[in-house]
Amino acid sequence: QVQLVESGGGVVQPGTSLRLSCVVSGFSVGDYAMHWVRQAPDKGLEWVAVLAYDGRNRFTAESLKGRITFSKDNSKNTLHLQLDSLRPDDTGTYYCARGRVVVGAPPRYYVDYWGQGTQVTVSS
Amino acid sequence: DIQMTQSPSSLSASVGDRVTMTCRASQDIRKSLAWFQQKPGKAPKSLIYAASTLQSGVPSKFSGSGSGTDFTLTINSLQPEDFATYYCQQYDSYPYTFGQGTKLEVK
Repeated sequence: QVQLVESGGGVVQPGTSLRLSCVVSGFSVGDYAMHWVRQAPDKGLEWVAVLAYDGRNRFTAESLKGRITFSKDNSKNTLHLQLDSLRPDDTGTYYCARGRVVVGAPPRYYVDYWGQGTQVTVSS
Repeated sequence: DIQMTQSPSSLSASVGDRVTMTCRASQDIRKSLAWFQQKPGKAPKSLIYAASTLQSGVPSKFSGSGSGTDFTLTINSLQPEDFATYYCQQYDSYPYTFGQGTKLEVK
């Protein structure tokens, strides 16, 4: 069955970087778009980014532009998200999620499956 | 950015009730709307996409409707496991945005 498992979270100091991973099973990351969504403590959901199935098209929330790098390794069925210049307001749970395409220009991607999340705490 | 506004912010209901919550977009998003359910300490669960299409495995007690700027999520015959926070999300244009959530509580 479809599973997504995030890892790489932890407690880090402001200004540092962190690399999150999302290992999937039950499908191939090369065949689907993949999203990152985050949630600050006791707050709502915030969309972070999406990477198209081909790895070429990517869209990012403005608040994170220039500070995130994301990629996927089809051979390992893994998605990565690197967060740079971390700030206290980056604290939260980070979820990866599978995206299903709606054909169009540009294509749109709705989420069907979610991982369980990995916790990131940015604090000095 | 497209603003998504959910109402009410919280909703009290009893087991067996039928409830409806709404989601309004600040501009036309066609039918590019999804609904999610989240329980405390858990990952969100996808319920509906394209405003009214149930995700695989989601019971038919959940239904969605709307297009353009106004959308609703209805849950029939509430059960204890349905009490949670519900979020809408538009995926019509970037950046994708979520509503602030509607917390469904036991009356």
